[in-house]
Amino acid sequence: ETGVTQSPTHLIKTRGQQVTLRCSSQSGHNTVSWYQQALGQGPQFIFQYYREEENGRGNFPPRFSGLQFPNYSSELNVNALELDDSALYLCASSSPGLMFGTQYFGPGTRLTVL
Amino acid sequence: SQQGEEDPQALSIQEGENATMNCSYKTSINNLQWYRQNSGRGLVHLILIRSNEREKHSGRLRVTLDTSKKSSSLLITASRAADTASYFCATDAPNTGNQFYFGTGTSLTVIP
Repeated sequence: ETGVTQSPTHLIKTRGQQVTLRCSSQSGHNTVSWYQQALGQGPQFIFQYYREEENGRGNFPPRFSGLQFPNYSSELNVNALELDDSALYLCASSSPGLMFGTQYFGPGTRLTVL
Repeated sequence: SQQGEEDPQALSIQEGENATMNCSYKTSINNLQWYRQNSGRGLVHLILIRSNEREKHSGRLRVTLDTSKKSSSLLITASRAADTASYFCATDAPNTGNQFYFGTGTSLTVIP
Protein backbone atom coordinates (compact mmCIF):
# COMPACT_ATOMS: atom_id res chain seq x y z
CA GLU A 1 0.00 0.00 0.00
CA THR A 2 1.33 3.43 -0.98
CA GLY A 3 -0.74 5.64 1.30
CA VAL A 4 -2.32 7.37 -1.69
CA THR A 5 -6.09 7.10 -1.69
CA GLN A 6 -8.62 7.89 -4.38
CA SER A 7 -12.38 8.24 -4.35
CA PRO A 8 -14.70 7.04 -5.58
CA THR A 9 -13.56 3.59 -6.69
CA HIS A 10 -16.05 3.34 -9.52
CA LEU A 11 -18.29 5.90 -11.17
CA ILE A 12 -20.87 5.79 -13.95
CA LYS A 13 -21.89 8.98 -15.71
CA THR A 14 -23.71 9.89 -18.89
CA ARG A 15 -22.37 11.90 -21.79
CA GLY A 16 -22.41 15.64 -21.14
CA GLN A 17 -22.29 15.37 -17.36
CA GLN A 18 -19.51 16.61 -15.11
CA VAL A 19 -17.43 14.55 -12.70
CA THR A 20 -15.04 15.24 -9.80
CA LEU A 21 -12.45 12.71 -8.72
CA ARG A 22 -10.47 13.02 -5.50
CA CYS A 23 -6.99 12.04 -4.40
CA SER A 24 -5.22 12.19 -1.05
CA SER A 25 -1.46 12.22 -1.37
CA GLN A 26 1.01 10.31 0.71
CA SER A 27 2.15 12.08 3.85
CA GLY A 28 5.02 14.47 3.14
CA HIS A 29 4.38 14.64 -0.61
CA ASN A 30 3.61 18.05 -2.10
CA THR A 31 3.20 17.04 -5.75
CA VAL A 32 0.24 15.27 -7.31
CA SER A 33 0.02 14.06 -10.88
CA TRP A 34 -3.07 12.77 -12.66
CA TYR A 35 -3.12 10.16 -15.40
CA GLN A 36 -5.76 8.70 -17.68
CA GLN A 37 -5.41 5.05 -18.61
CA ALA A 38 -7.66 3.69 -21.32
CA LEU A 39 -8.21 -0.06 -21.47
CA GLY A 40 -5.13 -1.83 -22.77
CA GLN A 41 -3.04 1.34 -22.86
CA GLY A 42 -0.38 2.92 -20.70
CA PRO A 43 -1.20 5.85 -18.41
CA GLN A 44 -1.28 9.23 -20.14
CA PHE A 45 -0.17 12.30 -18.22
CA ILE A 46 -3.01 14.81 -17.72
CA PHE A 47 -1.41 17.41 -15.44
CA GLN A 48 0.60 17.90 -12.29
CA TYR A 49 0.09 20.12 -9.26
CA TYR A 50 2.92 21.34 -7.07
CA ARG A 51 2.19 23.46 -4.02
CA GLU A 52 -1.34 24.25 -5.27
CA GLU A 53 -0.23 25.45 -8.72
CA GLU A 54 -0.47 23.60 -12.02
CA ASN A 55 3.05 22.52 -12.92
CA GLY A 56 2.75 21.06 -16.38
CA ARG A 57 0.00 19.66 -18.55
CA GLY A 58 -0.27 16.90 -21.09
CA ASN A 59 -2.29 16.90 -24.30
CA PHE A 60 -5.74 17.18 -22.72
CA PRO A 61 -8.45 19.78 -23.48
CA PRO A 62 -9.40 22.54 -21.01
CA ARG A 63 -12.49 20.63 -19.89
CA PHE A 64 -10.02 18.61 -17.80
CA SER A 65 -9.17 20.82 -14.84
CA GLY A 66 -7.78 20.34 -11.38
CA LEU A 67 -7.15 21.74 -7.97
CA GLN A 68 -4.69 21.12 -5.19
CA PHE A 69 -5.50 22.05 -1.63
CA PRO A 70 -3.22 23.30 1.19
CA ASN A 71 -3.02 19.74 2.58
CA TYR A 72 -1.80 18.67 -0.91
CA SER A 73 -4.88 16.58 -1.67
CA SER A 74 -6.20 17.12 -5.18
CA GLU A 75 -9.26 17.01 -7.38
CA LEU A 76 -9.64 16.24 -11.06
CA ASN A 77 -12.71 17.74 -12.72
CA VAL A 78 -13.95 16.75 -16.14
CA ASN A 79 -16.75 18.73 -17.79
CA ALA A 80 -18.95 17.79 -20.74
CA LEU A 81 -18.07 14.11 -20.49
CA GLU A 82 -17.54 12.19 -23.70
CA LEU A 83 -17.67 8.44 -24.28
CA ASP A 84 -13.89 8.39 -24.81
CA ASP A 85 -13.39 9.69 -21.27
CA SER A 86 -14.20 6.20 -20.01
CA ALA A 87 -10.95 5.07 -18.40
CA LEU A 88 -9.08 4.38 -15.19
CA TYR A 89 -7.96 7.66 -13.63
CA LEU A 90 -4.84 7.42 -11.54
CA CYS A 91 -3.27 9.93 -9.25
CA ALA A 92 0.28 9.75 -8.04
CA SER A 93 2.04 11.70 -5.35
CA SER A 94 5.71 12.53 -5.12
CA SER A 95 8.06 14.98 -3.53
CA PRO A 96 10.95 16.57 -5.41
CA GLY A 97 14.17 15.46 -3.85
CA LEU A 98 12.75 12.40 -2.15
CA MET A 99 13.53 9.10 -3.87
CA PHE A 100 14.48 11.23 -6.85
CA GLY A 101 11.16 11.44 -8.59
CA THR A 102 9.53 8.16 -7.66
CA GLN A 103 5.77 8.44 -7.91
CA TYR A 104 3.41 6.58 -5.60
CA PHE A 105 0.13 5.66 -7.20
CA GLY A 106 -3.33 5.31 -5.77
CA PRO A 107 -5.62 2.43 -6.75
CA GLY A 108 -7.47 4.53 -9.33
CA THR A 109 -11.04 5.53 -10.10
CA ARG A 110 -12.79 3.60 -12.87
CA LEU A 111 -15.00 6.04 -14.80
CA THR A 112 -17.58 4.75 -17.25
CA VAL A 113 -19.37 7.22 -19.50
CA LEU A 114 -22.58 5.98 -21.12
CA SER B 1 1.95 10.35 -28.29
CA GLN B 2 3.56 8.44 -25.48
CA GLN B 3 7.25 8.70 -24.84
CA GLY B 4 8.02 5.01 -24.42
CA GLU B 5 7.19 1.85 -26.24
CA GLU B 6 7.58 -1.57 -24.66
CA ASP B 7 8.40 -4.73 -26.48
CA PRO B 8 7.01 -7.35 -26.62
CA GLN B 9 3.37 -6.39 -26.07
CA ALA B 10 2.72 -9.77 -24.45
CA LEU B 11 4.97 -12.45 -23.01
CA SER B 12 4.09 -15.89 -21.64
CA ILE B 13 6.66 -18.02 -19.80
CA GLN B 14 6.85 -20.95 -17.41
CA GLU B 15 7.48 -20.40 -13.73
CA GLY B 16 11.21 -20.37 -13.01
CA GLU B 17 12.17 -18.97 -16.40
CA ASN B 18 13.56 -15.48 -16.93
CA ALA B 19 11.48 -12.71 -18.50
CA THR B 20 12.98 -9.87 -20.50
CA MET B 21 11.07 -6.85 -21.69
CA ASN B 22 12.37 -3.82 -23.52
CA CYS B 23 11.51 -0.14 -23.62
CA SER B 24 12.43 2.44 -26.22
CA TYR B 25 11.95 6.17 -25.83
CA LYS B 26 12.26 9.22 -28.01
CA THR B 27 13.87 12.17 -26.23
CA SER B 28 16.62 12.74 -23.69
CA ILE B 29 15.73 11.78 -20.13
CA ASN B 30 16.61 12.42 -16.52
CA ASN B 31 15.49 9.03 -15.26
CA LEU B 32 13.73 5.93 -16.43
CA GLN B 33 11.51 3.94 -14.12
CA TRP B 34 9.76 0.61 -14.34
CA TYR B 35 6.33 0.03 -12.81
CA ARG B 36 4.11 -3.03 -12.40
CA GLN B 37 0.32 -3.02 -12.62
CA ASN B 38 -1.91 -5.87 -11.57
CA SER B 39 -5.29 -6.24 -13.27
CA GLY B 40 -6.06 -2.56 -13.95
CA ARG B 41 -5.18 -1.40 -10.47
CA GLY B 42 -2.66 1.21 -9.32
CA LEU B 43 0.93 1.07 -10.45
CA VAL B 44 3.70 -0.13 -8.17
CA HIS B 45 7.17 1.34 -8.51
CA LEU B 46 9.83 -1.30 -9.16
CA ILE B 47 13.10 0.41 -9.92
CA LEU B 48 14.56 3.74 -11.05
CA ILE B 49 17.68 4.14 -13.15
CA ARG B 50 19.26 7.52 -13.74
CA SER B 51 20.49 8.68 -17.12
CA ASN B 52 24.14 8.39 -15.99
CA GLU B 53 23.70 4.78 -14.85
CA ARG B 54 23.99 1.73 -17.10
CA GLU B 55 22.73 -1.10 -14.92
CA LYS B 56 20.86 -1.53 -11.68
CA HIS B 57 19.72 -4.49 -9.62
CA SER B 58 16.94 -4.94 -7.09
CA GLY B 59 16.28 -8.46 -5.85
CA ARG B 60 15.29 -10.53 -8.89
CA LEU B 61 15.13 -7.44 -11.11
CA ARG B 62 17.90 -6.19 -13.36
CA VAL B 63 17.51 -3.04 -15.40
CA THR B 64 19.86 -1.77 -18.07
CA LEU B 65 19.86 1.60 -19.78
CA ASP B 66 21.51 2.53 -23.07
CA THR B 67 21.05 6.26 -23.61
CA SER B 68 22.81 6.16 -26.98
CA LYS B 69 20.10 3.80 -28.25
CA LYS B 70 17.39 5.37 -26.10
CA SER B 71 16.43 1.99 -24.76
CA SER B 72 16.13 0.07 -21.52
CA SER B 73 15.49 -3.53 -20.58
CA LEU B 74 13.95 -5.15 -17.52
CA LEU B 75 14.96 -8.68 -16.65
CA ILE B 76 13.01 -10.68 -14.07
CA THR B 77 14.90 -13.79 -13.04
CA ALA B 78 13.38 -17.01 -11.69
CA SER B 79 9.87 -15.81 -12.42
CA ARG B 80 6.92 -16.68 -10.19
CA ALA B 81 3.19 -16.84 -10.87
CA ALA B 82 2.85 -13.71 -8.71
CA ASP B 83 4.91 -11.79 -11.29
CA THR B 84 1.96 -12.01 -13.70
CA ALA B 85 1.13 -8.37 -14.41
CA SER B 86 1.61 -5.56 -16.91
CA TYR B 87 4.96 -3.79 -16.84
CA PHE B 88 5.48 -0.20 -17.92
CA CYS B 89 8.50 1.99 -18.38
CA ALA B 90 8.19 5.67 -17.61
CA THR B 91 10.55 8.48 -18.50
CA ASP B 92 10.87 12.06 -17.40
CA ALA B 93 12.47 14.67 -19.56
CA PRO B 94 14.83 17.43 -18.40
CA ASN B 95 13.13 20.56 -17.05
CA THR B 96 9.70 18.94 -16.81
CA GLY B 97 9.59 18.65 -13.03
CA ASN B 98 8.70 15.03 -12.32
CA GLN B 99 6.31 14.71 -15.26
CA PHE B 100 6.37 11.13 -16.43
CA TYR B 101 5.46 9.60 -19.74
CA PHE B 102 4.56 5.93 -19.87
CA GLY B 103 4.90 3.36 -22.59
CA THR B 104 2.21 1.00 -23.77
CA GLY B 105 3.26 -1.84 -21.49
CA THR B 106 4.21 -5.50 -21.66
CA SER B 107 1.67 -8.01 -20.39
CA LEU B 108 3.55 -10.83 -18.66
CA THR B 109 1.92 -14.16 -17.86
CA VAL B 110 3.85 -16.64 -15.74
CA ILE B 111 2.39 -20.13 -15.96
CA PRO B 112 2.70 -22.21 -12.76
